[in-house]
Order: sequence, then C-alpha cells, then structure tokens
Amino acid sequence: GDSVTQMEGPVTLSEEAFLTINCTYTATGYPSLFWYVQYPGEGLQLLLKATKADDKGSNKGFEATYRKETTSFHLEKGSVQVSDSAVYFCALSDQGDMRFGAGTRLTVKP
Amino acid sequence: NAGVMQNPRHLVRRRGQEARLRCSPMKGHSHVYWYRQLPEEGLKFMVYLQKENIIDESGMPKERFSAEFPKEGPSILRIQQVVRGDSAAYFCASSPQGGQGHEQYFGPGTRLTVT
Repeated sequence: GDSVTQMEGPVTLSEEAFLTINCTYTATGYPSLFWYVQYPGEGLQLLLKATKADDKGSNKGFEATYRKETTSFHLEKGSVQVSDSAVYFCALSDQGDMRFGAGTRLTVKP
Repeated sequence: NAGVMQNPRHLVRRRGQEARLRCSPMKGHSHVYWYRQLPEEGLKFMVYLQKENIIDESGMPKERFSAEFPKEGPSILRIQQVVRGDSAAYFCASSPQGGQGHEQYFGPGTRLTVT
C-alpha cells in the first residue's frame, strides 16, 4: 500500500542554518504530497503541498519539489529560526485518506 | 470562521470505561477523518466518514472502536472498554471534498489518558 518514509530525527540546528528534511514515498497512483507542521500541544497545520510532478510548494520560506523520478518531496529552508522548532510530517493523499510519515522533530537553537 | 473543533481536549478514563470524542468539522466541510498519534510517533489513519456514511475504516481496530458522522451534529469516535494502550492523542480533520489533492484541516486533538 501507499506509504511515506521520512528522515529520522531529532534534528538540531543553529539559527540561520540550512534545513533539509528528506521524504520519499511509495504509491501505486499519482498522489498529492504535503508537508504539515505540529507545534507542541497543537494539531497539524498545512505548511505546503504539491499536486503533480515537478510542482514546487512553498510557504514561510520553506520549499519542497515533487520529484516523480526519485519519488521524493524533500523539505528545505535556507535560514531557520528558533520559531521553526516543531515536528514536521510528510504526507501523501492518493485515494482521499492521507498517509503520514513518522515525523521529524526540529529544534533550532539561538 | 471557526476551524475544526474537538472536545474534550483532555479526557481521563479508567480501564473498562467508555470514551467519546467529538469533532465538529469546519463550516461547509462534509468529509471527516480520524487519526491516532501515539507519543513520539506519526499519525495513523483510522477512519474516513462523510455525512451518515463510513467511506474507509481500514485503520480502525476491529473491536471496541466505532465512529459515526450523523446528519446533524458532530462526528463521534467511540472507544468502549478502554485499555491503557488506547492512551494517545486523537486528531480529527475535515475537508470540503474527498479524493486526493485536497488538504485536510486538523483540530487541536483530544488527549486520552487511560488509568
């Protein structure tokens, strides 16, 4: 069945460092891909999405490109801030319900 | 324009009791999804419902768990005879349409603790 594998954490970075969180997927069809962010004690918030190959989703300085050839949707940010500390989830939607990766905890230190 | 609402936010139950978790989707959304998150883990899909219909319950445990989304009122996730392993955060999400490509909007979750 469909699944998502994302980079294990935790990830600890200094402020203004470059961030990459890897995400690869397995799907039988042509899924839509998402990154969600979860702050402590809260639900998930959509960060960005891409619905077809070569689409780039972007929001708040974060970017991810839907790569069909490598079945990947890696999350990047050029300069992280302390306020980016959270858990990041990669997800795919193929037939309606969503499949999530295990999450990657990011801590950004000043 | 209220988002997805879940209540209660925290629920404590003794082993053997019943837990009822409520979810009110965003206005205009008729598709509801329930997920379970164990500590330090990702979200596991449980069930997908439309008004009065269960569309996909492939992630629901076969026993003790049930879900409904009646014509009027919130969606309910019901856990009978709770056990300690049921302790988790339960998230509800809603979307205006089903099918792939539509993002889901999440509620703040209900944290269930079974003592």
